[in-house]
Amino acid sequence: GAVVSQHPSWVICKSGTSVKIECRSLDFQATTMFWYRQFPKKSLMLMATSNEGSKATYEQGVEKDKFLINHASLTLSTLTVTSAHPEDSSFYICSALPPLGREMGYTFGSGTRLTVV
Amino acid sequence: QKEVEQDPGPLSVPEGAIVSLNCTYSNSAFQYFMWYRQYSRKGPELLMYTYSSGNKEDGRFTAQVDKSSKYISLFIRDSQPSDSATYLCAMSDASNYQLIWGAGTKLIIKP
Repeated sequence: GAVVSQHPSWVICKSGTSVKIECRSLDFQATTMFWYRQFPKKSLMLMATSNEGSKATYEQGVEKDKFLINHASLTLSTLTVTSAHPEDSSFYICSALPPLGREMGYTFGSGTRLTVV
Repeated sequence: QKEVEQDPGPLSVPEGAIVSLNCTYSNSAFQYFMWYRQYSRKGPELLMYTYSSGNKEDGRFTAQVDKSSKYISLFIRDSQPSDSATYLCAMSDASNYQLIWGAGTKLIIKP
């Protein structure tokens, strides 16, 4: 089945630094990927929709200059948290739309826990 | 009113019981319905996918969609402690790939 690999699984960084999170589709090409943020004991909050070769579409309230998304190839999308601050600490999850479309369901990465100190 | 309502629980049942998890929604345009299981500090794992109305069964899991009532259910038979997790419903309409999520129900299966 469709597999999405997300790295790193956890990262600790100092306030003011930038962190890059990678999301790869391992055995399929994903033209569309999604980036979510999840707070403890809360549901997933969509941050942006990433389309290969074009600019990401950000949800209302998400700072596009802070959360940079690059979907340069059909198998890789990256989320860079720039000038991270403690309030950016969260669980970030990527998702990909499989090649056969939503009929197969969306595949999720294992998530990245970001802690900014 | 949220587009998708889901009781966050926790729901605690003894091992072997039948579990019923539910979501209600308000948008009649939703046609794609999914149930995901999420263990702590992990990404969601797709359990069941249903298009439009009807039932779908996969092993111990059964998903039901009642579009007339705007109500979806996930049943787990012979529940096991390893089923303890948060279960999230998600849905979308035909024109939009974005998923609308329920709050997730925390399920605890007691040995």
